[in-house]
Amino acid sequence: GQQVMQIPQYQHVQEGEDFTTYCNSSTTLSNIQWYKQRPGGHPVFLIQLVKSGEVKKQKRLTFQFGEAKKNSSLHITATQTTDVGTYFCAGLAGTASKLTFGTGTRLQVTL
Amino acid sequence: GAGVSQSPSNKVTEKGKDVELRCDPISGHTALYWYRQSLGQGLEFLIYFQGNSAPDKSGLPSDRFSAERTGGSVSTLTIQRTQQEDSAVYLCASSTRRLAGGDEQFFGPGTRLTVL
Repeated sequence: GQQVMQIPQYQHVQEGEDFTTYCNSSTTLSNIQWYKQRPGGHPVFLIQLVKSGEVKKQKRLTFQFGEAKKNSSLHITATQTTDVGTYFCAGLAGTASKLTFGTGTRLQVTL
Repeated sequence: GAGVSQSPSNKVTEKGKDVELRCDPISGHTALYWYRQSLGQGLEFLIYFQGNSAPDKSGLPSDRFSAERTGGSVSTLTIQRTQQEDSAVYLCASSTRRLAGGDEQFFGPGTRLTVL
């Protein structure tokens, strides 16, 4: 079945440093979504990418969808303590009926 | 309602007992999903509803797990003869999209199930 892996599993950065998480799918995706889950909270939708090579920005967050539509990345510039949480990608394969969530990357930011 | 709600927020039960978890999706959302999340882990898909039917039940771990949805709204997830490995947070999400999976999912706060 479809598998979606994320690396790293965990990253600890100092506030102000950049952070990137990478998402890799075993199959080609029709779209990919990103979610953020704060500690003790539930996943909250961040963005959806649909087109090959698509890049979208939300303030300090930059999302990319790979040319082959099998990978994606989330880059945070100048992290803040409010960025703490686990970031999940979630991909939809062509004929699948459900999103497959990635394994998640837990981000810790300290002052 | 303002968002997806789930009840109870916490459930502690004894091994072998049955439990029912409830999800109230956002009004008008046709798609509804159940996930399971163990501590520090990712989201494990359980089942998907489109309206009242469940086109995809592939994630249900065993025949002890079942779910239904009535009136295109409320859904209940039932776990029979609970086992300790069932302990997890059970998350429900809903979506407007008529075609599965392709739209933003709104998650509820989850039910934390502890099986003693």
